[in-house]
Amino acid sequence: AQSVTQLGSHVSVSEGALVLLRCNYSSSVPPYLFWYVQYPNQGLQLLLKYTTGATLVKGINGFEAEFKKSETSFHLTKPSAHMSDAAEYFCAVSPRGNQGGKLIFGQGTELSVKP
Amino acid sequence: DTGVSQDPRHKITKRGQNVTFRCDPISEHNRLYWYRQTLGQGPEFLTYFQNEAQLEKSRLLSDRFSAERPKGSFSTLEIQRTEQGDSAMYLCASSVTGQNTEAFFGQGTRLTVV
Repeated sequence: AQSVTQLGSHVSVSEGALVLLRCNYSSSVPPYLFWYVQYPNQGLQLLLKYTTGATLVKGINGFEAEFKKSETSFHLTKPSAHMSDAAEYFCAVSPRGNQGGKLIFGQGTELSVKP
Repeated sequence: DTGVSQDPRHKITKRGQNVTFRCDPISEHNRLYWYRQTLGQGPEFLTYFQNEAQLEKSRLLSDRFSAERPKGSFSTLEIQRTEQGDSAMYLCASSVTGQNTEAFFGQGTRLTVV
């Protein structure tokens, strides 16, 4: 069965500092990979996804993630944090062939940004 | 298109009562998903439809839960005889098969069972 592990339930950075949110997955076949962001009392918004091709994926709001098959990782980064980045971030996988929708989520990482 | 719409946004109910939530997906999205999210956790898959057919149900979906999508458009999720453990955010998502593997989420229905 596929699973997702997000290291660190809470990450705090200073404004302007590098953001690094870690995600590792467990799957016999590399799945599709996603990062979602959730603001309080809101649904989830897709930041970026990896399905095939280039392993460095750029998303919205300056975020990017790199798929590393050998490490079964898909860490999310942003060079310079902004106050508006404070939110909950979820890494998710979807089995190949499912063609979208059914997602298996990690437990989430809450990002705090200090002024 | 206004995106995925869920109604109500909040629901408070007494234990033992039945509740029903509605989800309107993005037009022409043939897949519709229900997830449950408890505090401090990631969303957990409950069930999904392709058009009007319910293709998969999670073991989390006990016999008190039922979901329908009668005409392949909107969907309802009903919980019978609610329990305090049912308190959670219920999220709906929709997508299109065979296209970009992206699901669009609604804002969710927050259920509180007292």
